[in-house]
Amino acid sequence: EDQVTQSPEALRLQEGESSSLNCSYTVSGLRGLFWYRQDPGKGPEFLFTLYSAGEEKEKERLKATLTKKESFLHITAPKPEDSATYLCASSGGGATNKLIFGTGTLLAVQP
Amino acid sequence: DAGVIQSPRHEVTEMGQEVTLRCKLISGHNSLFWYRQTMMRGLELLIYFNNNVPIDDSGMPEDRFSAKMPNASFSTLKIQPSEPRDSAVYFCASGRIPTNEQFFGPGTRLTVL
Repeated sequence: EDQVTQSPEALRLQEGESSSLNCSYTVSGLRGLFWYRQDPGKGPEFLFTLYSAGEEKEKERLKATLTKKESFLHITAPKPEDSATYLCASSGGGATNKLIFGTGTLLAVQP
Repeated sequence: DAGVIQSPRHEVTEMGQEVTLRCKLISGHNSLFWYRQTMMRGLELLIYFNNNVPIDDSGMPEDRFSAKMPNASFSTLKIQPSEPRDSAVYFCASGRIPTNEQFFGPGTRLTVL
């Protein structure tokens, strides 16, 4: 069964303290790995799509990377405004275009 | 460019009442997804449509839930009768085949008393 697992469940950082969030997936025939950011009371906001192992994408202080079994979201010198829940999702094999979401990592960045 | 539009943003109703949630897709998108999010179960896919056709409704909890796309840009999710356990935030998301990228609306927070 296709599955996406995120770790840690929660992470507290000091402003400027870089770290990484992990997303492990077991999907046959991955057709995309997606990262979203969700702020309280809002819908998930699309960040990145990664399609193949070795691919990297960056946006401001965030960089997403992909291997054959996992994806990392690296946060460099985070600021308090980076505090949010980060969700990853995979698009699996077959003809379906639905996404399988992980349960998210709640990130808190303290000033 | 307007994003996904959902209405209402908040709904409080009593058990047994009918609830209708509405969603307007992003212009040019041809996939529509309905999700439910709770603390206990996270984000769950209920049903999705491609080109107005329901593709997978295996996530719909039971017959009390139904969803329609009367046209290419609009969808409704109906719960009849509603129960307290249906209380959650309901999101719709639109996408464009074949990218599989989905863009979420702001959600409807449903409370069933």
